[in-house]
Amino acid sequence: DTEVTQTPKHLVMGMTNKKSLKCEQHMGHRAMYWYKQKAKKPPELMFVYSYEKLSINESVPSRFSPECPNSSLLNLHLHALQPEDSALYLCASSQGALAGRETQYFGPGTRLLVL
Amino acid sequence: AQTVTQSQPEMSVQEAETVTLSCTYDTSESDYYLFWYKQPPSRQMILVIRQEAYKQQNATENRFSVNFQKAAKSFSLKISDSQLGDAAMYFCAYNPLYSGGGADGLTFGKGTHLIIQP
Repeated sequence: DTEVTQTPKHLVMGMTNKKSLKCEQHMGHRAMYWYKQKAKKPPELMFVYSYEKLSINESVPSRFSPECPNSSLLNLHLHALQPEDSALYLCASSQGALAGRETQYFGPGTRLLVL
Repeated sequence: AQTVTQSQPEMSVQEAETVTLSCTYDTSESDYYLFWYKQPPSRQMILVIRQEAYKQQNATENRFSVNFQKAAKSFSLKISDSQLGDAAMYFCAYNPLYSGGGADGLTFGKGTHLIIQP
């Protein structure tokens, strides 16, 4: 089973709202990722948790805040977003072998609209 | 930094025919992984096939096969007996074998939109 689940499927929020995206996997993977994908573009990496250690893409604004409560669960907290943050947010996981990242398996994504 | 180039923004093929999608990449690493992902209109990113750079044998998965030319840094995807369900955006992606630290993740090409003509 290579299933990664994401909730919610769709989210509409105002610029003053606080919301969270959730991602879960039960494959025993030790690395989890957040990507942002704009329409007709490839995904762009935002954050990586590998063995509970966070790596950040320096270009990601601080209004996005990741959290990894345990190795199966990954959250993305959203606060004071801008309309240009509207996008598909993809979660992925991989075995996270210490020597390399191996194959990443993606969830179905959360489609976010910021008004 | 690694780069991945897909020079075909869009390809069209007749159902049951064969189509080849091109991908080139640039890296100074000798060991790495290459992937083809498919993203249909539902937007779910689905793994099609993967190739380890240290393996000379080209990967195959049913109707999907790759032509991996390491010296030329080329990694094309061949789809045989095309089916309507193959219609999607196809992304070529690169991942280093050893992380250099920081958020490296997957490096994607810009994608090729594949249209299947019935």
